[in-house]
Amino acid sequence: DTEVTQTPKHLVMGMTNKKSLKCEQHMGHRAMYWYKQKAKKPPELMFVYSYEKLSINESVPSRFSPECPNSSLLNLHLHALQPEDSALYLCASSQERKDYGYTFGSGTRLTVV
Amino acid sequence: QKEVEQNSGPLSVPEGAIASLNCTYSDRGSQSFFWYRQYSGKSPELIMFIYSNGDKEDGRFTAQLNKASQYVSLLIRDSQPSDSATYLCAVVGSGYALNFGKGTSLLVTP
Repeated sequence: DTEVTQTPKHLVMGMTNKKSLKCEQHMGHRAMYWYKQKAKKPPELMFVYSYEKLSINESVPSRFSPECPNSSLLNLHLHALQPEDSALYLCASSQERKDYGYTFGSGTRLTVV
Repeated sequence: QKEVEQNSGPLSVPEGAIASLNCTYSDRGSQSFFWYRQYSGKSPELIMFIYSNGDKEDGRFTAQLNKASQYVSLLIRDSQPSDSATYLCAVVGSGYALNFGKGTSLLVTP
């Protein structure tokens, strides 16, 4: 298995809703990442998990809450989002080696209404 | 702020020509460099990575790295219309996190 699987692929939620994005990989990668990408912009790093521990939080608002239940699974819990949070949310994983590229999932297209 | 700079384009080349994409980076301690291709509405796809000075070739793609000049490039030979996409240069920063440039839009015209 050489894929990162993200679900759901599309999500529409209201500003008072609570929802979760899910990411799964079975490549034995010990680093997992959440990125946010707006249209015509590069991916922006949100969170980094290393060996199931949060190692980087790029000053992301608390309405985004990451969780890493085990080495294969990464969640992003969403609560009280704003319309400007609408974006493509990308999960990625990698080995913690500088000569090893990330594998990205296909992303979740989130629309906040 | 560790920066990765790319010309946003669009870069337009005729089919069969060589497309040359360039990237500079500010962190002299950067060690690994990646090129990702992203089609509109899709996730980034790894094309090449390089971490030693010089050239690295893979099929129609060649990555070139010059650490003294803090410069990395991607050459695409025999460009095809299917190569039309945004190409993202990325550099490994702290904690193995990737820092992306803004991307260069490539258009290959038949």
